[in-house]
Amino acid sequence: DAGITQSPRHKVTETGTPVTLRCHQTENHRYMYWYRQDPGHGLRLIHYSYGVKDTDKGEVSDGYSVSRSKTEDFLLTLESATSSQTSVYFCAISGSAGDSPLHFGNGTRLTVT
Amino acid sequence: QQQVKQSPQSLIVQKGGIPIINCAYENTAFDYFPWYQQFPGKGPALLIAIRPDVSEKKEGRFTISFNKSAKQFSLHIMDSQPGDSATYFCAASKVQGGSEKLVFGKGTKLTVNP
Repeated sequence: DAGITQSPRHKVTETGTPVTLRCHQTENHRYMYWYRQDPGHGLRLIHYSYGVKDTDKGEVSDGYSVSRSKTEDFLLTLESATSSQTSVYFCAISGSAGDSPLHFGNGTRLTVT
Repeated sequence: QQQVKQSPQSLIVQKGGIPIINCAYENTAFDYFPWYQQFPGKGPALLIAIRPDVSEKKEGRFTISFNKSAKQFSLHIMDSQPGDSATYFCAASKVQGGSEKLVFGKGTKLTVNP
């Protein structure tokens, strides 16, 4: 799995609570991404990072924030979880070029009740 | 606006059959077209990719066909096996745009029956 670890793998939380998902890589790749996967929607980019402390928004960034204080760690935070954020979240890493393959982690299944 | 349209949503074939998954894109600036394969409980993994300077690319039993004028590309799986049962995603981007610009189709769930 290209040295990518997502934690936790499963989480159930209540509406309105904060949640942080962690992605840890051992590949020293510059680029890191957070995607969500939902039936009928495929994979949608939430946020991405192109370096330490350098992040930008993706297609579905509302309600999410990210931080990257070290090359190896990329955190995704739901400040106040909502039921619409129930999803499977994938972290991915890649090299610098646009045709570099994305290497995905095994995902975090988040349920917001 | 959905930039990459993938069909069908699901596909069932018998072992040995040749499933075909189709994708159509809108942005003529796209110049990189990868396919990702995802098994249950796992993240997607790059299967095969093509650039628009070729019309076909084969890797083992997997073939991408590319039609630039029609803005379409497809994945063919020769002699399909039950182990090929997975969800397949097509995607498209501009190489110069960076991987953050990669746009995914909605996926096709393939089932290969024994």
